[in-house]
Amino acid sequence: GESVGLHLPTLSVQEGDNSIINCAYSNSASDYFIWYKQESGKGPQFIIDIRSNMDKRQGQRVTVLLNKTVKHLSLQIAATQPGDSAVYFCAEEQNTGNQFYFGTGTSLTVIP
Amino acid sequence: EPEVTQTPSHQVTQMGQEVILRCVPISNHLYFYWYRQILGQKVEFLVSFYNNEISEKSEIFDDQFSVERPDGSNFTLKIRSTKLEDSAMYFCASSPRTGGNNEQFFGPGTRLTVL
Repeated sequence: GESVGLHLPTLSVQEGDNSIINCAYSNSASDYFIWYKQESGKGPQFIIDIRSNMDKRQGQRVTVLLNKTVKHLSLQIAATQPGDSAVYFCAEEQNTGNQFYFGTGTSLTVIP
Repeated sequence: EPEVTQTPSHQVTQMGQEVILRCVPISNHLYFYWYRQILGQKVEFLVSFYNNEISEKSEIFDDQFSVERPDGSNFTLKIRSTKLEDSAMYFCASSPRTGGNNEQFFGPGTRLTVL
């Protein structure tokens, strides 16, 4: 399989601060990326996605940045809240389509 | 709000037994997926399904695994002869994949324990 990995396994932030979660991928053929949030005991929840023809996409309080030159993906969460505490995964889809590779995950803890 | 459902929530089986994990995807979705997550590890893709056939499958999805959409609502994963290493959370997901919407909606998962 392909390598999709995260730089940091854990991240702690103060409530109200911004969070940045990073992800590295190794397959330059990947053309679609997704960030998921997984709370304890639940399935992954889609947060935001980005295609390889973009370098930035914004959602509600979240921004995904894609740097294809260094094969790096990041998720920025603005004004982090306690409800944001979860494990965050990046996933990539290769241009063969419909097959997704997940990273290991970063555990985000928000300190009230 | 429509959601993906999975049954059972927890399945315990003996090694060598067959198990069937069931999923009801969101009704107007066209693409269906199975993933597994071994405790403490990352989510691993097993198989994708579209138009009543397998679209893609991973190396994990060997001859012991099969998927079926027996009717208009259910999507099942069968493991023919379970092994200890099949113990994991199994997640079903569905996606509309129309109009540029590729969002995958995940079910709550089935915890499979093989003894």
